[in-house]
Amino acid sequence: QKEVEQNSGPLSVPEGAIASLNCTYSDRGSQSFFWYRQYSGKSPELIMFIYSNGDKEDGRFTAQLNKASQYVSLLIRDSQPSDSATYLCAVKLVAGTYKYIFGTGTRLKVLA
Amino acid sequence: DGGITQSPKYLFRKEGQNVTLSCEQNLNHDAMYWYRQDPGQGLRLIYYSQIVNDFQKGDIAEGYSVSREKKESFPLTVTSAQKNPTAFYLCASSPGQAGNTIYFGEGSWLTVV
Repeated sequence: QKEVEQNSGPLSVPEGAIASLNCTYSDRGSQSFFWYRQYSGKSPELIMFIYSNGDKEDGRFTAQLNKASQYVSLLIRDSQPSDSATYLCAVKLVAGTYKYIFGTGTRLKVLA
Repeated sequence: DGGITQSPKYLFRKEGQNVTLSCEQNLNHDAMYWYRQDPGQGLRLIYYSQIVNDFQKGDIAEGYSVSREKKESFPLTVTSAQKNPTAFYLCASSPGQAGNTIYFGEGSWLTVV
């Protein structure tokens, strides 16, 4: 069973702080990694994707990938109350399968 | 507008009935997916399809059926064999070889009454 693990939270951070969300995955053949944000009762929306080891920055968001440790993280700088949501980590398995596995999500609360 | 359209948004089913959830995409994506989400839980894969007239079971396919007769359409039937169907159902698509990202429709809420 291919797994993607996340701490369910809630993770509470004050407004303006850095929120750090973590995800581990079990399949070493995984190739692509995604972070989605999901507000309550809504569908997930893509925040970022990362394919290569290292950091990838997009505005206030930074995704970090370490394939040797099978670890993906998302940093949110200058957290805002509007960032309060559940963050889902997703992994695309090896090429050719088209299969994406999602973690259970981490609930983030940004306190004003 | 390009996107993924799911209907209906809310659906009530009596026990013993089959219901079909519609999913249509105009993104010209090759792959389409159905996920189920229970309250406070992550997404679990029901079925996925990489090309027309072909589909594969996901992790929780029992009690569900799909078809892929057209590239843009991937309907999901929740059969009476699915014992606990009340959930949020999400349809998604991805470009396949041309790209990696998976995109979601707005979801359908199914409640058994």
